[in-house]
Amino acid sequence: DTGVSQDPRHKITKRGQNVTFRCDPISEHNRLYWYRQTLGQGPEFLTYFQNEAQLEKSRLLSDRFSAERPKGSFSTLEIQRTEQGDSAMYLCATPRADYGYTFGSGTRLTVV
Amino acid sequence: SQQGEEDPQALSIQEGENATMNCSYKTSINNLQWYRQNSGRGLVHLILIRSNEREKHSGRLRVTLDTSKKSSSLLITASRAADTASYFCASPPYNTDKLIFGTGTRLQVFP
Repeated sequence: DTGVSQDPRHKITKRGQNVTFRCDPISEHNRLYWYRQTLGQGPEFLTYFQNEAQLEKSRLLSDRFSAERPKGSFSTLEIQRTEQGDSAMYLCATPRADYGYTFGSGTRLTVV
Repeated sequence: SQQGEEDPQALSIQEGENATMNCSYKTSINNLQWYRQNSGRGLVHLILIRSNEREKHSGRLRVTLDTSKKSSSLLITASRAADTASYFCASPPYNTDKLIFGTGTRLQVFP
């Protein structure tokens, strides 16, 4: 139990399909972050929320990506018209003051 | 973009030996954090060192920070097979808390 739940753990999809991932922090957190990690690399920042507001988006987040946090609790990340280059681990995290971040176990996306 | 680089990229040692990983970063920081990632899993926070600290210990972990050189090191003493994982340094650029990660060190500890 990492304190952040992500669903699904694995997703295999055909190129061109849409996919949606969910992130549920177990306790309330003002801020929530999404990262993407490709094989052999460190996580790269995608976007973050302060409550319901999406305050920053990385240039990695193309128009096919959209993220929401409708009630300031859980968050969803949707990828439309998936491409093979979208294959990666998608990680969600919440910061804890002076104690670093709590990461979820991630959703591994494979686009075939 | 990555904040910096870690060195070495890969490290193989025997159980009981010490493992040292180095991290360099690019921008001014508030703190620097180290994370561990087992294969295919999420990241686990290990230790955070503030920019005004030079050294910090947690169990078998020792972290140093040299802000003049923009570098940090993580020492794992008396390593165990269970320490086998990838280790990442990460830091939020000054006045943000968005983490920027390094490229990671893959540690293999042989029994």
